[in-house]
Amino acid sequence: KTQVEQSPQSLVVRQGENCVLQCNYSVTPDNHLRWFKQDTGKGLVSLTVLVDQKDKTSNGRYSATLDKDAKHSTLHITATLLDDTATYICVVGDRGSALGRLHFGAGTQLIVIP
Amino acid sequence: DMKVTQMPRYLIKRMGENVLLECGQDMSHETMYWYRQDPGLGLQLIYISYDVDSNSEGDIPKGYRVSRKKREHFSLILDSAKTNQTSVYFCASRGLGEQYFGPGTRLTVL
Repeated sequence: KTQVEQSPQSLVVRQGENCVLQCNYSVTPDNHLRWFKQDTGKGLVSLTVLVDQKDKTSNGRYSATLDKDAKHSTLHITATLLDDTATYICVVGDRGSALGRLHFGAGTQLIVIP
Repeated sequence: DMKVTQMPRYLIKRMGENVLLECGQDMSHETMYWYRQDPGLGLQLIYISYDVDSNSEGDIPKGYRVSRKKREHFSLILDSAKTNQTSVYFCASRGLGEQYFGPGTRLTVL
């Protein structure tokens, strides 16, 4: 059963536009939520991590929110660049796992066009 | 600079052949993981290792086995590979509450 759902599956924006990616999850108990960027053919690179019940983070043009009551997170990308073209993966940590088990979304494929 | 390496990066094998995927980390992390990534699915956990010779099955261990004889190396072995094991395999290690991922190995089983 999929415990982390991301939307949209894919998204095309023009360079300079803003975009919002969504993540809903059912992992219980939830620990932290992390957003990764995965360039085509590459590994996962962490963008930001959210840990509090209602959390907000900012990392340059990337900002994220988490609402643990709603089990929902958003990733905002401001003024997109061509290099933002990638798959963005939402990952939820399982607080009940001593070995740091993670639950992965399938990702949102973002394409930035000139 | 924390680093997880994987070898090889690309591999093509025939059905029934044995496959060895290697993973290394230079951070002395105790816990390491093997995942596979398929289109439209999130990463799926194959095996966890929490130290040398201490391994546990993940969610999809069937058809795979692992070996960890040194803390810095974690191997994934496919005995008699099947076509449905064509995938991208990621290794990760865990330290300071965060998982660090390797670049992946793209395996094609013909």
